[in-house]
Amino acid sequence: GNSVTQMEGPVTLSEEAFLTINCTYTATGYPSLFWYVQYPGEGLQLLLKATKANDKGSNKGFEATYRKETTSFHLEKGSVQVSDSAVYFCALNGFSGGYNKLIFGAGTRLAVHP
Amino acid sequence: GAGVSQSPSNKVTEKGKDVELRCDPISGHTALYWYRQSLGQGLEFLIYFQGNSAPDKSGLPSDRFSAERTGGSVSTLTIQRTQQEDSAVYLCASSPGGGRDQPQHFGDGTRLSIL
Repeated sequence: GNSVTQMEGPVTLSEEAFLTINCTYTATGYPSLFWYVQYPGEGLQLLLKATKANDKGSNKGFEATYRKETTSFHLEKGSVQVSDSAVYFCALNGFSGGYNKLIFGAGTRLAVHP
Repeated sequence: GAGVSQSPSNKVTEKGKDVELRCDPISGHTALYWYRQSLGQGLEFLIYFQGNSAPDKSGLPSDRFSAERTGGSVSTLTIQRTQQEDSAVYLCASSPGGGRDQPQHFGDGTRLSIL
């Protein structure tokens, strides 16, 4: 079945450091890929998405490229801020058999220190 | 515009009681989803509605769990004879239509605690 694997956290960085959170997936067909973020005490928010191979999703300085050859969708940001501290979830929607649901990774907690 | 609204935000109940959780999707969104977030299991899909029909109920953990949607809008998730393992945050999401490229917009969730 479809699955998503994320790098384990927590990830601890200093402000202005470069961020990479790895995400790989297993899926049949051509899934869409998403990154969601959950800030402390808040709900899940869509961060970015990509719906086909080689698409790059971007938002708030974050980027991720849909790599079908490596089945990956790694999240990157060039210079993190304290306000980026949150839990990040990689997810796919395979829409297989007409059924429509998100499969999430386990989440990666990011802590950014001044 | 208004986002996905869930109520109550918190619910504490005794083991064995029934609970109802409500979700109000974004106006005009035809697809609605329930997920559960718990420490041990992460984020799990429960059920998907397209309109008032539920083509995928595969994530419901047991027959104590049921959900309905009326008028293509509000949905209720019911848990009967609650157990301690039902303690979790129950999340509702909606999207404009079905399809794998549609982003799902989440509510803030209902935190359910079973004593």
